[in-house]
Amino acid sequence: EAQVTQNPRYLITVTGKKLTVTCSQNMNHEYMSWYRQDPGLGLRQIYYSMNVEVTDKGDVPEGYKVSRKEKRNFPLILESPSPNQTSLYFCASSSTIQDLTDTQYFGPGTRLTVL
Amino acid sequence: AQSVTQLGSHVSVSEGALVLLRCNYSSSVPPYLFWYVQYPNQGLQLLLKYTSAATLVKGINGFEAEFKKSETSFHLTKPSAHMSDAAEYFCAVKGGGYQKVTFGTGTKLQVIP
Repeated sequence: EAQVTQNPRYLITVTGKKLTVTCSQNMNHEYMSWYRQDPGLGLRQIYYSMNVEVTDKGDVPEGYKVSRKEKRNFPLILESPSPNQTSLYFCASSSTIQDLTDTQYFGPGTRLTVL
Repeated sequence: AQSVTQLGSHVSVSEGALVLLRCNYSSSVPPYLFWYVQYPNQGLQLLLKYTSAATLVKGINGFEAEFKKSETSFHLTKPSAHMSDAAEYFCAVKGGGYQKVTFGTGTKLQVIP
């Protein structure tokens, strides 16, 4: 089954404790992206990647890091989480960067709480 | 630059009534427009998309949307609401090159029995 998976689905942590949220897709997609969803703000892009070893900042990259060492994986790293990073996070992927009509496929989300 | 405005963060309709969710876009290039639906505790799922092939786009679950360039709108409609339509709906625009997508702030649809 074609899907985007994220782990963990739920995470409660404390300020300053490094964490990683994993994202994996099995569709051989080139493009992957991370979003955060906050009430009243919709989805905002954090980082995106157009292919292996190619990443770039989205609209709200502060406090986050990403890497793309393999095509299927795109982990989101919070080196020193703060309470303002409490949010619902989504990973998404799409097949090509050339086709602008291409649909993004979303993971199920990771709900992060930073105390 | 591109942006999307969704009018109404909450919309309530009676079961069987018309659903109308509003979306206006701004884009410096011809846009590609999308509607996504998010059911509680789930990720986003594509409802429909406009890719310039036809101005009236039909999607899943009986939804459709009409692209109106003169009004810079892409409103989502469904003739008869069903209880299962209760969800949050996001309009999104892509037009800045590559795969950059800008989402609206979302509209929560409540369906009243």
